[in-house]
Amino acid sequence: DAKTTQPTSMDCAEGRAANLPCNHSTISGNEYVYWYRQIHSQGPQYIIHGLKNNETNEMASLIITEDRKSSTLILPHATLRDTAVYYCIVRVANRDDKIIFGKGTRLHILP
Amino acid sequence: DVKVTQSSRYLVKRTGEKVFLECVQDMDHENMFWYRQDPGLGLRLIYFSYDVKMKEKGDIPEGYSVSREKKERFSLILESASTNQTSMYLCASSRQQIGGYTFGSGTRLTVV
Repeated sequence: DAKTTQPTSMDCAEGRAANLPCNHSTISGNEYVYWYRQIHSQGPQYIIHGLKNNETNEMASLIITEDRKSSTLILPHATLRDTAVYYCIVRVANRDDKIIFGKGTRLHILP
Repeated sequence: DVKVTQSSRYLVKRTGEKVFLECVQDMDHENMFWYRQDPGLGLRLIYFSYDVKMKEKGDIPEGYSVSREKKERFSLILESASTNQTSMYLCASSRQQIGGYTFGSGTRLTVV
């Protein structure tokens, strides 16, 4: 079973920041938080990952709480192309680890 | 641009046929994975491999086998296709340790 809990769906106005929450209350000390998204009819796309510190790249920012039990993915200026299902995943970084996908959050960007 | 390439975007096969789904990556990644995706069930892991000639069962390996003869290629085999194997199949690869996964565009297989 997936180790994360996400809202089923969210709406966000175009141009605004989209904040997607994720709960991972049973996360272990050696587990990373990863975010992926899947646009309709495409394969999932890696967005960002982090362990303890907040992370930022060209796509998004990842904010992880100090106790690491939850995180938020932030898309700073959402566009219609950001409409997708967003998956939050926890994963141990070892050789034979594998991703277990949950149901994700369906994000609708509204014009 | 680095990528994972799946040989077919759409495939229609008959029940009982042997089906090969091919996946090639050009990133020199050690790990490769096969998932299937069905409405309401999400992405489910079929098999994965973390080295040439190595394979590990995922959550739903029944009815499937895999082959990893070369580092860049990971094949999914349906020995005798059945209608309940109609699905979207997604291949992915990653570097060992903390790398993110890169997914292919998927193969939509219909078994009639």
